[in-house]
Amino acid sequence: AQSVAQPEDQVNVAEGNPLTVKCTYSVSGNPYLFWYVQYPNRGLQFLLKYITGDNLVKGSYGFEAEFNKSQTSFHLKKPSALVSDSALYFCAVREAGGSYIPTFGRGTSLIVHP
Amino acid sequence: EAGVTQFPSHSVIEKGQTVTLRCDPISGHDNLYWYRRVMGKEIKFLLHFVKESKQDESGMPNNRFLAERTGGTYSTLKVQPAELEDSGVYFCASSVGRGRTEAFFGQGTRLTVV
Repeated sequence: AQSVAQPEDQVNVAEGNPLTVKCTYSVSGNPYLFWYVQYPNRGLQFLLKYITGDNLVKGSYGFEAEFNKSQTSFHLKKPSALVSDSALYFCAVREAGGSYIPTFGRGTSLIVHP
Repeated sequence: EAGVTQFPSHSVIEKGQTVTLRCDPISGHDNLYWYRRVMGKEIKFLLHFVKESKQDESGMPNNRFLAERTGGTYSTLKVQPAELEDSGVYFCASSVGRGRTEAFFGQGTRLTVV
């Protein structure tokens, strides 16, 4: 079975500071990992994914995520937060060679204060 | 390129009534998915179409939910009769491939059953 956990319901950060949104996963084999963002009244937008290769993945809007196999984590990061980054962030995982359907986390609300 | 479009954006119905949600995927995307998110919880998978065929409907909660995808184009999700616990945001997503490729999501339909 595959599962993903986003341990924080909400993350608060000041504009200009670095941000981290945490995600840990559980799969039997190798993971495919995804981050999506949902702005108010919008659908989920794809940010980045890890399939294979470099552990550090760069995505849209200056976001990046680091795949850590030993810690089974895929935390989302950005060096300098913007107020416009305030949104709901979802992590998703699926097992390579397993179900085609990814499992999503509960979502983390990121609030960037001016 | 037009994105995934869902209609209506909001629906408020009384318990026992019928509601039909519609999703227009991105043209050329054979894969179409329905998901549901209840407030504050995970985005739960409902079902997956490949063209007009149901590939996986393991997430459908019960037989009050009926999904169709006529001609492999748009899809409808009917809830009949609606119950209070059906309230939530229903997302549709589409993708070209499966597994490694990310899905593109619609803005969602917020269903409230009163």
